[in-house]
Amino acid sequence: AQSVTQLDSQVPVFEEAPVELRCNYSSSVSVYLFWYVQYPNQGLQLLLKYLSGSTLVESINGFEAEFNKSQTSFHLRKPSVHISDTAEYFCAVNSGGYNKLIFGAGTRLAVHP
Amino acid sequence: DTGVSQNPRHKITKRGQNVTFRCDPISEHNRLYWYRQTLGQGPEFLTYFQNEAQLEKSRLLSDRFSAERPKGSFSTLEIQRTEQGDSAMYLCASSTRAGATTDTQYFGPGTRLTVL
Repeated sequence: AQSVTQLDSQVPVFEEAPVELRCNYSSSVSVYLFWYVQYPNQGLQLLLKYLSGSTLVESINGFEAEFNKSQTSFHLRKPSVHISDTAEYFCAVNSGGYNKLIFGAGTRLAVHP
Repeated sequence: DTGVSQNPRHKITKRGQNVTFRCDPISEHNRLYWYRQTLGQGPEFLTYFQNEAQLEKSRLLSDRFSAERPKGSFSTLEIQRTEQGDSAMYLCASSTRAGATTDTQYFGPGTRLTVL
């Protein structure tokens, strides 16, 4: 069975510092990987995705994630965070079948001034 | 595209009552998903439609839950005889236009259900 593990439930960080949110998955077949962001009292917004090709994917707001097949990881990074990045971040895997998403438990990123 | 919309955004009900939520997917998306998210957890898959056909249901979907997508456009999720454990955010997502090569799910804002 597929699963997603987000290793940190909360990550506090100061503004302009770098951050890494960790995600590991388990799957026996090819996967598509996603990071979604959820701001308070809102639905999920797609941040970035890995479908195929280059293992490094980027979002428009400075986040990037690298697919590492050997380590079954898809960690999310940003070199310099802003207060506005404070949110809950969810890693998800989608593989074959009816493409339902399996989510991790989420990581709450708290950016402090 | 206007995005995925869900109504109502909030619903407060008493235990034992029935509730119904509506989801309008992105126009021309033929796949529609329902997820449930409880406090402090990631969303969990409930059910999936391709056009009007319900193709998969999670074991989380007890017999008190029913979902429909009668014309392959909007969908409804009904919970009968609500219980306090049903309190959660119910999320709808849609994906895939005909001919698309990738399948990315786009989520609505959710319906927050509180059962008293």
